[in-house]
Amino acid sequence: QQQVKQSPQSLIVQKGGIPIINCAYENTAFDYFPWYQQFPGKGPALLIAIRPDVSEKKEGRFTISFNKSAKQFSLHIMDSQPGDSATYFCAAITGGYQKVTFGTGTKLQVIP
Amino acid sequence: NAGVTQTPKFQVLKTGQSMTLQCAQDMNHEYMSWYRQDPGMGLRLIHYSVGAGITDQGEVPNGYNVSRSTTEDFPLRLLSAAPSQTSVYFCASSARVSGVRNTQYFGPGTRLTVL
Repeated sequence: QQQVKQSPQSLIVQKGGIPIINCAYENTAFDYFPWYQQFPGKGPALLIAIRPDVSEKKEGRFTISFNKSAKQFSLHIMDSQPGDSATYFCAAITGGYQKVTFGTGTKLQVIP
Repeated sequence: NAGVTQTPKFQVLKTGQSMTLQCAQDMNHEYMSWYRQDPGMGLRLIHYSVGAGITDQGEVPNGYNVSRSTTEDFPLRLLSAAPSQTSVYFCASSARVSGVRNTQYFGPGTRLTVL
């Protein structure tokens, strides 16, 4: 079963727009929520992450918003650029091993 | 540091053949994992290891074996390849620090096609 649901599957925005990618989870044992960015032909790379006791985290143009009561979190990309075109995965981590459950991914295209 | 390396980058197998995907890391990470990535399904955990000599199953372990004889290496074995195993395989590693969620570093992937 899909423990982390991600939407939309794909997204096209104009340069300068603010794409928003949403994720929802059910397992309240998750205690860390990273976002990964993946370019074609490459492995995923950590972009930004948040703990559930924080409602928002910003790193550069990337912002995570977290709603613990709704069990939802989202990624916002401010002033998006063509170089941001990639696939984005949300994820959730639990357990001493740091077992990672990934969302299904969102393919973002930023048009010049 | 080379980080996480995977070989080969591409592989074509016939149904029933066996092979080993290699993964190595030079960051002295205790945790290592294998994922497969399929369109529309994200990354799914196949097997993982919390240290040398210790492995466990992930979400989709059937048809795959792993072993961890050293901290650096974590090979993935396909016992009898099937077309359903056509996928991109990623190896990842992360450090083990008590009470801290650490970054998982991914290799560049192996694209496997089973005919």
